[in-house]
Amino acid sequence: KAGVTQTPRYLIKTRGQQVTLSCSPISGHRSVSWYQQTPGQGLQFLFEYFSETQRNKGNFPGRFSGRQFSNSRSEMNVSTLELGDSALYLCASSLRDAEQFFGPGTRLTVL
Amino acid sequence: GESVGLHLPTLSVQEGDNSIINCAYSNSASDYFIWYKQESGKGPQFIIDIRSNMDKRQGQRVTVLLNKTVKHLSLQIAATQPGDSAVYFCAENLDYGGATNKLIFGTGTLLAVQP
Repeated sequence: KAGVTQTPRYLIKTRGQQVTLSCSPISGHRSVSWYQQTPGQGLQFLFEYFSETQRNKGNFPGRFSGRQFSNSRSEMNVSTLELGDSALYLCASSLRDAEQFFGPGTRLTVL
Repeated sequence: GESVGLHLPTLSVQEGDNSIINCAYSNSASDYFIWYKQESGKGPQFIIDIRSNMDKRQGQRVTVLLNKTVKHLSLQIAATQPGDSAVYFCAENLDYGGATNKLIFGTGTLLAVQP
């Protein structure tokens, strides 16, 4: 069974730009969560989607948004990038209320 | 954010010894806890989980202990191997089986296994 895949794996952007990251969950998983990982703040929850609906949202500004498609694939978007948005963005998928499986992440660098 | 970035604690052990990694969780209402292992350049990998109605759960070479009185979680790794070297995170879920899969992560512990 294929694991969670995230694209792209690495991304370099400049301040003010926007970026879209993609996540394909494990087949059959309908819950997709996004996390931001930085050395200073650790792993922080961004949002979770289940059956195309956002179920929960973390404490991030409105520049961070996401969506989920009918095939459970998810995208997250960050607009007006700031230097502090440089991080590893992780996606995790699960069956409803079960262990979460993480993808390898997308390393975003904002210059 | 809900997790505060701190200097990553390090546990250094000899190959073959047992390792104990500790975690203090934040919310007494949390009812589901998970340990993850993260190797360099990879996403977190599930190790073992435990529900709040249990005190102990064992897996292959790993044991998780939960002390709800003091909000403490520990991961014991038996016969530690070089391949166990990684950062270990505990995570808590406030509403397992409810309306969210949101996890709150601890700051992590770096396990360094010396051959």
